[in-house]
Amino acid sequence: SQQGEEDPQALSIQEGENATMNCSYKTSINNLQWYRQNSGRGLVHLILIRSNEREKHSGRLRVTLDTSKKSSSLLITASRAADTASYFCATSRWRNEKLTFGTGTRLTIIP
Amino acid sequence: EPEVTQTPSHQVTQMGQEVILRCVPISNHLYFYWYRQILGQKVEFLVSFYNNEISEKSEIFDDQFSVERPDGSNFTLKIRSTKLEDSAMYFCASSEEAGVSYEQYFGPGTRLTVT
Repeated sequence: SQQGEEDPQALSIQEGENATMNCSYKTSINNLQWYRQNSGRGLVHLILIRSNEREKHSGRLRVTLDTSKKSSSLLITASRAADTASYFCATSRWRNEKLTFGTGTRLTIIP
Repeated sequence: EPEVTQTPSHQVTQMGQEVILRCVPISNHLYFYWYRQILGQKVEFLVSFYNNEISEKSEIFDDQFSVERPDGSNFTLKIRSTKLEDSAMYFCASSEEAGVSYEQYFGPGTRLTVT
């Protein structure tokens, strides 16, 4: 697998359910960032988690990081139709370094 | 809330022509980046820029590409002689100095179509 690979590639759930997306990476990192992209649009920054952090929350978002397994998960609770988008994880090896993006998870919320 | 802006939103050009994509990063940010995303593919890093010079560039960023910060606010990406395979969405991003906050914030993108 490549640096920053998400699974599943696609996920469809009912509105109100929780959505969990996973990201795996290969090299040591300083931080991992999650982004949302609506079809054909820009990348919206969701959350950054540092390598010395294990969990972070922002509103309905919960991100975990397991550096021993080189993996992260993004949980969206109580999903809404507006959450329909592609979600990407991106890693960098040190602060302000380039981001290496994963392949993304396409999330569809069914009303 | 401050945001990264990019112009134009869509650019159509003929193969072999030069294009300049423009970005205005967030005003107190010091690190600037260009990425691109070919339709249906992952986002790829092109180049990073700090202290008025390129800090890192990818294999994609060959001699046909150049970046410039012509004044205190704009950050540009120039493609000298466009190829069909340059068709992609180009994103500019910026981040603050490390130690404060180093999230990378992206602009809305410029969709470049080379015909």
